[in-house]
Amino acid sequence: SAVISQKPSRDICQRGTSLTIQCQVDSQVTMMFWYRQQPGQSLTLIATANQGSEATYESGFVIDKFPISRPNLTFSTLTVSNMSPEDSSIYLCSVVGGREYQETQYFGPGTRLLVL
Amino acid sequence: AQTVTQSQPEMSVQEAETVTLSCTYDTSENNYYLFWYKQPPSRQMILVIRQEAYKQQNATENRFSVNFQKAAKSFSLKISDSQLGDTAMYFCAFMKHELQGAQKLVFGQGTRLTINP
Repeated sequence: SAVISQKPSRDICQRGTSLTIQCQVDSQVTMMFWYRQQPGQSLTLIATANQGSEATYESGFVIDKFPISRPNLTFSTLTVSNMSPEDSSIYLCSVVGGREYQETQYFGPGTRLLVL
Repeated sequence: AQTVTQSQPEMSVQEAETVTLSCTYDTSENNYYLFWYKQPPSRQMILVIRQEAYKQQNATENRFSVNFQKAAKSFSLKISDSQLGDTAMYFCAFMKHELQGAQKLVFGQGTRLTINP
């Protein structure tokens, strides 16, 4: 499977500020996703990052709050804008696997965000 | 919309024992995939096992196997000869099949599994 890295691994931010999270893959992948895991909760999809076009957002998530870029097949960013304490979560990117398992998603190590 | 239910918030077993984690799901789809992921304290989500709905044979990966009952919409995970390193949160996940490729994963609430020495 692909090697996925995320930066930063963790951060503490003040409310009202924005943070951009990077997701880098060591090989070209067809699809990339961004998930949120609130404290003690399961994972919820924020959006599908589409290469060369706007991301596709899930219900309850909007582009103004979570702008996403995907300039190429190995890189994507998620920005958490105008943060509030409710944004404190782990943010994970996932990518679809290689030729053998086209439907399987593999996850990055996550970014732990605390908003004060 | 699909839903995934894990009815066991926490489980605890002794090392070397066998443990089964339960998962049920609700869907009107006929073609889909089911997954088990583990999330140890490091927070990394790790794929444990996958199952295609069109396959009747249950998937196995070393000490991990599933009992897939499509009619009952049940997808349990059995861990044999449990090890201390199996301690983690385990998430069951559903993904419907689409021709254009992978879709979003719908996760259950998770089961916290502790393996005691």
